[in-house]
Amino acid sequence: AQKVTQAQTEISVVEKEDVTLDCVYETRDTTYYLFWYKQPPSGELVFLIRRNSFDEQNEISGRYSWNFQKSTSSFNFTITASQVVDSAVYFCALSEAARDDKIIFGKGTRLHILP
Amino acid sequence: DSGVTQTPKHLITATGQRVTLRCSPRSGDLSVYWYQQSLDQGLQFLIQYYNGEERAKGNILERFSAQQFPDLHSELNLSSLELGDSALYFCASSEGTGDDLFEAFFGQGTRLTVV
Repeated sequence: AQKVTQAQTEISVVEKEDVTLDCVYETRDTTYYLFWYKQPPSGELVFLIRRNSFDEQNEISGRYSWNFQKSTSSFNFTITASQVVDSAVYFCALSEAARDDKIIFGKGTRLHILP
Repeated sequence: DSGVTQTPKHLITATGQRVTLRCSPRSGDLSVYWYQQSLDQGLQFLIQYYNGEERAKGNILERFSAQQFPDLHSELNLSSLELGDSALYFCASSEGTGDDLFEAFFGQGTRLTVV
């Protein structure tokens, strides 16, 4: 069965520090998709990235980067030079799209960036 | 603005009552997903419709039902409400399915409070 584990419930860092949010997933499928979403205090869910299981290249987008390692079933998210506006709950998610489209979310990591 | 519209934004109702939550997907999106977000359970997948047909089902209670209409809007019906049903209910839409599933765009959510 598909499962996403975000072991870090809450993290606090001081502004400008780098921070990594961990995500470990479980799936029986060879074809799957991994996602990260951000939920700021306003409550909406904002898509950040999708990665398919055949693409293990790391991705960088500005201060955000993602490290996908199939060998450890992990899809970690790093924010470099964090800013107060990065404070939010971050969700990692998994879809076994060959089976169905449901996107299963981890419980989220609440990130506090302290000024 | 994600383009997904959910109404109402807030709903307060009494135990035992029935409510209907409405979702209008982004223009062109055929898939609609419903999620429940509560403090203890995180984001739980409830159900997905694609072009009017049920495509995937999660941990949706028998007291809950959903449908997607020919104009692609969807409604989530919650009946015999209990205090524990108080949560934020999200609707999301996506364009594709299966390997064409990219990102799901989330609405602002309906906050349901059962008193």
